[in-house]
Amino acid sequence: GNSVTQMEGPVTLSEEAFLTINCTYTATGYPSLFWYVQYPGEGLQLLLKATKADDKGSNKGFEATYRKETTSFHLEKGSVQVSDSAVYFCALTSSGGYNKLIFGAGTRLAVHP
Amino acid sequence: EAQVTQNPRYLITVTGKKLTVTCSQNMNHEYMSWYRQDPGLGLRQIYYSMNVEVTDKGDVPEGYKVSRKEKRNFPLILESPSPNQTSLYFCASSRGRQRLGNTYEQFFGPGTRLTVL
Repeated sequence: GNSVTQMEGPVTLSEEAFLTINCTYTATGYPSLFWYVQYPGEGLQLLLKATKADDKGSNKGFEATYRKETTSFHLEKGSVQVSDSAVYFCALTSSGGYNKLIFGAGTRLAVHP
Repeated sequence: EAQVTQNPRYLITVTGKKLTVTCSQNMNHEYMSWYRQDPGLGLRQIYYSMNVEVTDKGDVPEGYKVSRKEKRNFPLILESPSPNQTSLYFCASSRGRQRLGNTYEQFFGPGTRLTVL
């Protein structure tokens, strides 16, 4: 079945450091890939998405590229801020016509001044 | 403001006492679903609805019921809650059914933290 694997956290960085959160997936067909962010005490917000191979999603300085050959969708940001501290979820929806999101376990990011 | 609302936000209850968590969206979305979030497991889908009077099971439906009598509302019902249903619950909605190459953003509510003693 479909699944998503994320690197375990927590990830602790200093402000302005480079961020990478690894995400790999297993899926049949042509899934769409997503990164969601959950700030403390809030629901999930869509951060970025990519719907086909080699697409790059980007938003708020974050980027991720849909790599079909390595089944990966790693999240990157060149310079993190304290306000980026949150839990990040990698997710996919299958190409089967349903909207169900399959989530990874989540990675907690803590950025210190 | 476009949003998904859930009530209550926090609930502590006892085993066996029926409860309902409400979910409402004001975006005229066809698709709604419920997820539960547990540490180390991410979010898992409980039930979903493609439209009014159309519901189906997700990955972890045991112990839950849903109904979709109106397009905007999608309540989650726990008829006899048990401690293993202690979790953080999220309702989500989106515009329509995903098709190849075309995805619709799913909007999430703020969550309901449920504790069953």
